[in-house]
Amino acid sequence: DAGVTQSPTHLIKTRGQQVTLRCSPISGHKSVSWYQQVLGQGPQFIFQYYEKEERGRGNFPDRFSARQFPNYSSELNVNALLLGDSALYLCASTFGLYTQYFGPGTRLTVL
Amino acid sequence: DAKTTQPNSMESNEEEPVHLPCNHSTISGTDYIHWYRQLPSQGPEYVIHGLTSNVNNRMASLAIAEDRKSSTLILHRATLRDAAVYYCILRRGGGRDDKIIFGKGTRLHILP
Repeated sequence: DAGVTQSPTHLIKTRGQQVTLRCSPISGHKSVSWYQQVLGQGPQFIFQYYEKEERGRGNFPDRFSARQFPNYSSELNVNALLLGDSALYLCASTFGLYTQYFGPGTRLTVL
Repeated sequence: DAKTTQPNSMESNEEEPVHLPCNHSTISGTDYIHWYRQLPSQGPEYVIHGLTSNVNNRMASLAIAEDRKSSTLILHRATLRDAAVYYCILRRGGGRDDKIIFGKGTRLHILP
């Protein structure tokens, strides 16, 4: 079975631009969560979506937004990029409670 | 969310057991203890979780103190592939959201 997939793998943007990251959960998983991981730190929770509804939001500015589609895939959007947004963005999917399955991440570099 | 405390780094020799400690003195009765690990250049992966009793699976064992204020992840025979950052996490049972609050974890180095 395919795991969680994310695209693109790497991305380079400049300050002020907008970016969209994509995630496809494991088949049958209805919940998707997004995390930001800055170098040397643990992942930080950004959003969780379940059945297309937002279930949780971390301490991130309104420049960050997300949505989930009927097929349970998800997009994370970041507007007005700052240098500090450079990070590994991780997507995780969940079938039931407790165990999250993470994708390989998208490495975003903001210049 | 209750906090966990882990050593920043540990070293172990290949093919020897590894005991990774975690303190969680403010754990509540409904908090589950989870361990995830993150190998270099990969997303985190689930290792094991438990509530009160010790747990075993194909990857590792989880030993939980009787008062639940600490736990230990045990890798029975470390290999070079076990070199990773190991995160000890508390997750509330029955919660509506599914978020994981990660700390800095323990970076495990395996010496050949």
